Amino acid sequence: EVQLLASGGGLVQPGGSLRLSCAASGFTFSSNAMSWVRQAPGKGLEWVSSDSGHSTYYADSVKGRFTISRDNSKNTLFLQMNSLRAEDTAVYYCVKNSGGSCYSGLGYWGQGTLVTVSS
Amino acid sequence: DIVMTQSPDSLAVSLGERATINCKSSQSVLYSSNKKNYLAWYQQKPGHPPKLLISWAFTRDSGVPDRFSGSGSGTDFTLTISSLQAEDVAVYYCQQYYSTPLTFGGGTKVEIK
Repeated sequence: EVQLLASGGGLVQPGGSLRLSCAASGFTFSSNAMSWVRQAPGKGLEWVSSDSGHSTYYADSVKGRFTISRDNSKNTLFLQMNSLRAEDTAVYYCVKNSGGSCYSGLGYWGQGTLVTVSS
Repeated sequence: DIVMTQSPDSLAVSLGERATINCKSSQSVLYSSNKKNYLAWYQQKPGHPPKLLISWAFTRDSGVPDRFSGSGSGTDFTLTISSLQAEDVAVYYCQQYYSTPLTFGGGTKVEIK
């Protein structure tokens, strides 16, 4: 059974940093593309970043501030978020892509972790 | 960026009746080399993460009831729920994965009439 357990969210001041983690199990993590997607309170879905293991991709809204990475030895995905802004406030979902490519459906979503950027 | 436009924003359908959601992309998401449409549909129930229903425009994910079907090609796509059940109350999103940034439609809220 696929499991994605995201952690690391919380309340942070504007300009601050947070590091999200996502512990994955139930599939071969190293050969699967992974993504982060966020959802602001009461709003729709916004893609943030994807990592195929060979390439990384970012939304323009986070490029230069967020960094996606993975530790295949620990089956863990990360999202380092710097220079946080109020508009980054959202539930952040860790997502398993449907295959090894980032150009694939978002096959399985974890429960998400809430990031609140406020003074 | 490819803009995804869904319609309607919401719809109310009687139990057992058909629900139809439309999705239009600002440019084609049909990849010519493999003839595949890079288009997915998701269902999000209140308080839950989204769930993949359909990928490649019409391929149901494992375990998805066959009352859900996807159709269309190029820039125009449709998600149809053939006989609405109470458990289908949710917001539905289309998404293109043809190019980055990956983009979603604004969502369609489906309710029971």
